[in-house]
Amino acid sequence: EAQVTQNPRYLITVTGKKLTVTCSQNMNHEYMSWYRQDPGLGLRQIYYSMNVEVTDKGDVPEGYKVSRKEKRNFPLILESPSPNQTSLYFCASRLQGNDEQFFGPGTRLTVL
Amino acid sequence: GENVEQHPSTLSVQEGDSAVIKCTYSDSASNYFPWYKQELGKRPQLIIDIRSNVGEKKDQRIAVTLNKTAKHFSLHITETQPEDSAVYFCAAIFNQAGTALIFGKGTTLSVSS
Repeated sequence: EAQVTQNPRYLITVTGKKLTVTCSQNMNHEYMSWYRQDPGLGLRQIYYSMNVEVTDKGDVPEGYKVSRKEKRNFPLILESPSPNQTSLYFCASRLQGNDEQFFGPGTRLTVL
Repeated sequence: GENVEQHPSTLSVQEGDSAVIKCTYSDSASNYFPWYKQELGKRPQLIIDIRSNVGEKKDQRIAVTLNKTAKHFSLHITETQPEDSAVYFCAAIFNQAGTALIFGKGTTLSVSS
């Protein structure tokens, strides 16, 4: 089944404890992206990647890192999480030349 | 910077009525405008999209219209049903590479039976 998967789905952590949220897609999509969703603010892009080893900042990249060592994986790294990073995170992917994005199931992160 | 404004933020209708959600965008070069539906606790899912070379697109009870001159586009849902209740997001692509997809803040649609 063609899909985008994220792990973990739920995470409660404490300030300053490094964490990684994984994202994987099995559709051979070149483009992958991370968004955060907060009440009243919609979805805001954190980082995106056009292909392996090609990443760039979105609208709200501060406090996040990403890497794209393999085409299927695009992990989101929070080196030192803070409470203002408590949010619902979505990974998405699409095929180059096709605008439709496919979203993962979301990761609800709480930073205490 | 680039921006997408979405109105209203909440919309309540009776089953069978029509619902209209409107969005405006800031960059006249934008060429792709998707609409996503997000049910409670689920991921956003594309329900319809339109390109800048088309003025209107329909898919059963859902339609999207685009006015490039005024830089606004709208989602129309006819004969609403309770299962249409969800949060709807409009979005626009703001660059040639298609990497900058900016979302509106969302509209919570409630359809009561």
